[in-house]
This record gives sequence, C-alpha cells and structure tokens, in this order.
Amino acid sequence: GEDVEQSLFLSVREGDSSVINCTYTDSSSTYLYWYKQEPGAGLQLLTYIFSNMDMKQDQRLTVLLNKKDKHLSLRIADTQTGDSAIYFCAERTGGFKTIFGAGTRLFVKA
Amino acid sequence: NAGVTQTPKFRILKIGQSMTLQCTQDMNHNYMYWYRQDPGMGLKLIYYSVGAGITDKGEVPNGYNVSRSTTEDFPLRLELAAPSQTSVYFCASSYSTGESSGNTIYFGEGSWLTVV
Repeated sequence: GEDVEQSLFLSVREGDSSVINCTYTDSSSTYLYWYKQEPGAGLQLLTYIFSNMDMKQDQRLTVLLNKKDKHLSLRIADTQTGDSAIYFCAERTGGFKTIFGAGTRLFVKA
Repeated sequence: NAGVTQTPKFRILKIGQSMTLQCTQDMNHNYMYWYRQDPGMGLKLIYYSVGAGITDKGEVPNGYNVSRSTTEDFPLRLELAAPSQTSVYFCASSYSTGESSGNTIYFGEGSWLTVV
C-alpha cells in the first residue's frame, strides 16, 4: 500500500546542516513535498519537487530525490533555532491523494 | 491573505455532544480536505471534496460527516463525540490541476478538539 516513512527526531547544533530523510512506496508519485509545522500552527509548504527531477535548491533548502530507491531528503544549511519545528514529507499519488509521513521533529541546539 | 480559515481554534466537548468545525477558503480551490493529526502521528484524511456538491470518504471517516454546498465552505460535523475523536483537525484546500503550483495543499491553522 501507499506509505511514507521518516525518522521521528533529529537534533543538530545551530550553524550545522540538517538532513531529514524520507522514504515512500508509490512509484507513480507525481510530486513530493516538504511541509513545516511550528508549534500550535498548521502545516506550511516549504518546497516541492516534481518526480522527474533529481534536485531542487531554494536558498538554504536542498531537496534530493532518488526515484530508484524512493528516497527523498531535505537539507537545511546553516540551521537556525527558528528552524526548530516538525517537518513532514508527503507524496502525491496518482489522482488527488497526498500521503503524509508522521513528521520529523527537528531540535536545534544553540 | 486569508487563505484557509477554520473555526473554532479550541473546543472541549462532552461525550455524546455534537459540533461542527467550520472551514472556508478564498482561493477558489476546487479540492478541499479534512485531516486529523494525533500526537506523534502523521495526518489522516477524514473526508475530501473535489467540488461543490461532491464529497467522499478518506481513510478515517467514521463518526464524521461533511457537506460542500459552495466552493468556499467545507464544514465537518461530529454527531456523537467520542474520546477517540480527541485530536487536532486541519482543513485544507488545493487546485486539482496546475503543475506550476505542484498541486500544493494549503492548510488552515488547526482546531484543537478534546472530548471528555
């Protein structure tokens, strides 16, 4: 079935790079997304990548997609305390459905 | 820049009570969704709608009902509240097509519901 998995926690020091990983199962996914959720708030789209791309860079964010291994990663360069949040990986399968992972809680230590 | 607006933000219900979570969007999106988020879990789709007058069940529809009389509004109704429905509820919307936007889903800020 369709599933998105990601590790639950990641802790980094301020200024270091953070890498959040995600695996998905549906090879027909069209888009893959990273959403950010801050405490007490809804999910906000950080970035997305179309399934025929390998990489997308947007300022401090780099998304890498390995379609063969169904692996998606989000790298945050120069991680700041304001980056502390929950990061959700999601895939858009055929049709309308978007499947979300359980979220990775990023802790940034000053 | 309203986007997706849902109310109320917080609510405490007694077992067996009913309530409606309101959701409205001003982006003229045809797709709308209701998700629930349990602690430490991802989002589970409750119901969705692909346009006014059309609704369908998601992964966890039991105990809920929805309606979509207009493009803008997509209320979620809990008929007989149960403790298992204690959760955070998110309304969301998107275009059905539009590859330039990545079919991005836009979320409301969430409604925290506790059933006691």
